[in-house]
Amino acid sequence: VLMTQSPATLSVSPGERATLSCRASQSVSTNLAWYQQKPGQGPRLLIYGASTRATGIPANFSGSGSGTEFTLTISSLQSDDFAVYYCQQYNNWPRTFGQGTKVEIK
Amino acid sequence: EVQLLESGGGLVQPGGSLRLSCVVSGFTFSNYVMNWVRQAPGKALELVSAITGSGTGTYYADSVRGRFTISRDTSKNTVYLQMNNLRAEDTAVYYCAKDPITTTVVVLSYFDYWGQGALVTVSS
Repeated sequence: VLMTQSPATLSVSPGERATLSCRASQSVSTNLAWYQQKPGQGPRLLIYGASTRATGIPANFSGSGSGTEFTLTISSLQSDDFAVYYCQQYNNWPRTFGQGTKVEIK
Repeated sequence: EVQLLESGGGLVQPGGSLRLSCVVSGFTFSNYVMNWVRQAPGKALELVSAITGSGTGTYYADSVRGRFTISRDTSKNTVYLQMNNLRAEDTAVYYCAKDPITTTVVVLSYFDYWGQGALVTVSS
């Protein structure tokens, strides 16, 4: 399953909302996870089941969607949120990831 | 606190070998599937290999099957990735990652904890 994320780069001012998209080449139901990655670190799980926040993830992160279209929304960007975000499907073998969206400071 | 710490990365010539290790703590190691995921420059993350808690079940991506071997030592809380016949396209940061649920087989899942990664460079 090919996962396509858009945009590749998103420029956002602190305090603004960021909306990231992830599209699957075929339905993955709600078997979709989102990760955040900062330079020099491994990915950090944010969302699984398309909309369930992982332990310790703040409420300004939310996920939605099902089938082939998914969205990660960061309601009010903080300085710590500027990073690269990846989606991953776990509905079909092999598990596959998107190319990532870099959220940068505008 | 769950921690995963990779080691063993480095520079190796094409055709060479390297063994990565991942020491874990903060959870019952033998209960969870463990994975190796790599990130090549400019490419998407790729699940390379996975192993069940007992070590009897494994998964390999087509790109590494027959060249890489995953194993684990429960007494040392460590998972390994033996990489043989390395190619330039194996150059990547290799992450150790944990499945979130206790299973006896490799299943479709996300990853709830990751290490900080080990850089493997294959070049002459």
